[in-house]
Amino acid sequence: SQELEQSPQSLIVQEGKNLTINCTSSKTLYGLYWYKQKYGEGLIFLMMLQKGGEEKSHEKITAKLDEKKQQSSLHITASQPSHAGIYLCGADRGDDKIIFGKGTRLHILP
Amino acid sequence: EAQVTQNPRYLITVTGKKLTVTCSQNMNHEYMSWYRQDPGLGLRQIYYSMNVEVTDKGDVPEGYKVSRKEKRNFPLILESPSPNQTSLYFCASSLRDLGDSPLHFGNGTRLTVT
Repeated sequence: SQELEQSPQSLIVQEGKNLTINCTSSKTLYGLYWYKQKYGEGLIFLMMLQKGGEEKSHEKITAKLDEKKQQSSLHITASQPSHAGIYLCGADRGDDKIIFGKGTRLHILP
Repeated sequence: EAQVTQNPRYLITVTGKKLTVTCSQNMNHEYMSWYRQDPGLGLRQIYYSMNVEVTDKGDVPEGYKVSRKEKRNFPLILESPSPNQTSLYFCASSLRDLGDSPLHFGNGTRLTVT
């Protein structure tokens, strides 16, 4: 069955530095979502990508979906303490089910 | 305000005592789903519903029941909870066309079964 692999599992960066989180699928994705979760809380929707090669940005966060629609990356520019949390990618598997990666824990050092 | 509301936020119960976690959305969404989140395992789908009176199993449905009698509500029922159902549960909803609409999540219910 299709799975989503996220890397890295955990990331510690100095405030102000850039970082990238990756999400890879074994099969073509019908829709790719990025969410942010504060520890133990709900998931906040960040962005949705649907087309191969698509790129979206919101404030300092940019998400891309590759042409084959099997890999996505989330890039944060000039990280801030407010960016800390767990980032999850989710995908429409095409069978009415939406699956998620295991998440990437991001820590920002002041 | 458009939202998915889950209740309760925290629940501690004992093995075998039936419980229900409620979920309600005010966005007229057709699609609703329940997930559980566990350390190292991520978010796993329990059940989902494409519309009223239509429910289907997700990847980990054992030990759970759901119902969709009204469009806005999608309760999760544990008939006989066991300690391995201790987890953080999320309800989510979306427009029917999943490829065009993201899931909106509730704030979660932390369940402990002793």
